[in-house]
Amino acid sequence: DGGITQSPKYLFRKEGQNVTLSCEQNLNHDAMYWYRQDPGQGLRLIYYSQIVNDFQKGDIAEGYSVSREKKESFPLTVTSAQKNPTAFYLCASSILPGQGVNYGYTFGSGTRLTVV
Amino acid sequence: KQEVTQIPAALSVPEGENLVLNCSFTDSAIYNLQWFRQDPGKGLTSLLLIQSSQREQTSGRLNASLDKSSGRSTLYIAASQPGDSATYLCAVVLGGSQGNLIFGKGTKLSVKP
Repeated sequence: DGGITQSPKYLFRKEGQNVTLSCEQNLNHDAMYWYRQDPGQGLRLIYYSQIVNDFQKGDIAEGYSVSREKKESFPLTVTSAQKNPTAFYLCASSILPGQGVNYGYTFGSGTRLTVV
Repeated sequence: KQEVTQIPAALSVPEGENLVLNCSFTDSAIYNLQWFRQDPGKGLTSLLLIQSSQREQTSGRLNASLDKSSGRSTLYIAASQPGDSATYLCAVVLGGSQGNLIFGKGTKLSVKP
């Protein structure tokens, strides 16, 4: 079955530590996205990528970094510069606008990050 | 800047009732609109996708409508069941944009047996 796999499901970070969240898709989608979800705030875009080796900042990119070395993979690193990283992180993928009539997003199951 | 609003923020209904969830957006130049369902602690499941040229989409007991000119969409759930309890999210993609989804904050639905 095609889909998006996020790992780990739960992650604990110590103060000053960098952690990396994994996102892999086998849908052959060109575009991939990272969102952060906080209670009462909705989903906010961190980074997105439409092509390998290229990515763009979203609304809340500070304290985060990404890479896109393969079409299937879009890992997110939460750096020590992110002062409030405790949140639910969601990865998504899609075809590009104009590539087809069924342009829509597919989401992974999420990673819950907690600072300890 | 595009803003998406969902009303009500929470809704509790008895089982079997028909219900409507509302979504409004400030910029009518959208590429499409997507409704999602989210269960507690889980990812998002796509329910219905409406292209900007379409007026509605149906899947089983769900029907979503789109009125671009007024900046509104509704999600109609027929004969609600306890298993429908979840948070429902509306999201739009702006026309000509990079394709990023802009989300509302969701409506938390509780269907009581």
